[in-house]
Amino acid sequence: GAGVSQSPSNKVTEKGKDVELRCDPISGHTALYWYRQSLGQGLEFLIYFQGNSAPDKSGLPSDRFSAERTGGSVSTLTIQRTQQEDSAVYLCASSLAGWEETQYFGPGTRLLVL
Amino acid sequence: DQQVKQNSPSLSVQEGRISILNCDYTNSMFDYFLWYKKYPAEGPTFLISISSIKDKNEDGRFTVFLNKSAKHLSLHIVPSQPGDSAVYFCAAKPGGGNKLTFGTGTQLKVEL
Repeated sequence: GAGVSQSPSNKVTEKGKDVELRCDPISGHTALYWYRQSLGQGLEFLIYFQGNSAPDKSGLPSDRFSAERTGGSVSTLTIQRTQQEDSAVYLCASSLAGWEETQYFGPGTRLLVL
Repeated sequence: DQQVKQNSPSLSVQEGRISILNCDYTNSMFDYFLWYKKYPAEGPTFLISISSIKDKNEDGRFTVFLNKSAKHLSLHIVPSQPGDSAVYFCAAKPGGGNKLTFGTGTQLKVEL
């Protein structure tokens, strides 16, 4: 596809359940980022993948959050034992290379934890 | 600790007039600044950027100004159009880094 795609677009889950969010970056983009936007907040960096390098996980808020990137393309963000404060829009972005300033964002996944 | 601040959550401007969106930052390591625009139910889209070696960058109706001594940048839109109505996010990153730090956004409404 032409842009970054994310699925699902919306997810409602119960507290304590695990959720998986998917991101398909732009073809050929080696860098992939996950952000989240909580209500009334700016975008908060979560994790960054660049090629085959070890990911930068410095933004993950707790060990309930993890992410994988398979084959240097698709990425999955997993939240275990979800809490109500995890409710947010989770945004994925990709760029040509780690130093490339322009990050292209997907439409996001709106997660609501009841 | 909010390192990038957008103190105006909303701004309303008449069509044809200038829109000025402001952004302040506290981290002196930031050396590249970007503005993103976001429509409802869509991801942010890149609008314009500026390096710390410049104090102005212009692209059509959009101009970004950087005042390093004041740690302040602004986005000017002239003339404003109804299609410019969106949330505008200011973002910054340090030299050699790639993690963007975003502000909380300003909702711009351009009225007819």
